[in-house]
Amino acid sequence: NAGVTQTPKFRVLKTGQSMTLLCAQDMNHEYMYWYRQDPGMGLRLIHYSVGEGTTAKGEVPDGYNVSRLKKQNFLLGLESAAPSQTSVYFCASSYGLAGEASRNEQFFGPGTRLTVL
Amino acid sequence: RKEVEQDPGPFNVPEGATVAFNCTYSNSASQSFFWYRQDCRKEPKLLMSVYSSGNEDGRFTAQLNRASQYISLLIRDSKLSDSATYLCVVNHEKLTFGTGTRLTIIP
Repeated sequence: NAGVTQTPKFRVLKTGQSMTLLCAQDMNHEYMYWYRQDPGMGLRLIHYSVGEGTTAKGEVPDGYNVSRLKKQNFLLGLESAAPSQTSVYFCASSYGLAGEASRNEQFFGPGTRLTVL
Repeated sequence: RKEVEQDPGPFNVPEGATVAFNCTYSNSASQSFFWYRQDCRKEPKLLMSVYSSGNEDGRFTAQLNRASQYISLLIRDSKLSDSATYLCVVNHEKLTFGTGTRLTIIP
């Protein structure tokens, strides 16, 4: 099993450009998440999905859109990139969102390092 | 007050020593708690869940104090490979991550 994979691993954009980050998981998890990680700040939730065809806003959703057309894939889009979106983006998936501790473990992808100039 | 607070460190600890981290959380209704480990430029990975009665996994011991709203992680007989950032994670309808405590084990 590959677990959670992300593409691309690195990307440099100019302000105003658009791009899509792809996340894929092969663990048949219902829940998927997109986070950003910045120095001195904890992982912050951008958007998440509780199942195929559903998405919801997280803590910092502005400037991002997401889609979950297939259970195994979760896409994060930046329509018009801004320097403030320079960050490391992590995708994660989990079997459950709340309840038993063991169901909450989130499995993370390796991350995408995005720089917006 | 932040939802989850951790001492960022860095903690520089000699190999073989015991080191402990605390993490405080603000929401008394939080349901479950975790410690994740993140190596430099890598993704976070679950180290251990934290149970009400406390739990141990080899050299690692996690404790929960609901009355004072903190969790702790104790590492005994530290190894060079324990060098990493340790993230405190609290679950209340969603996972909230602390900013992490950086640990460096010195030979």
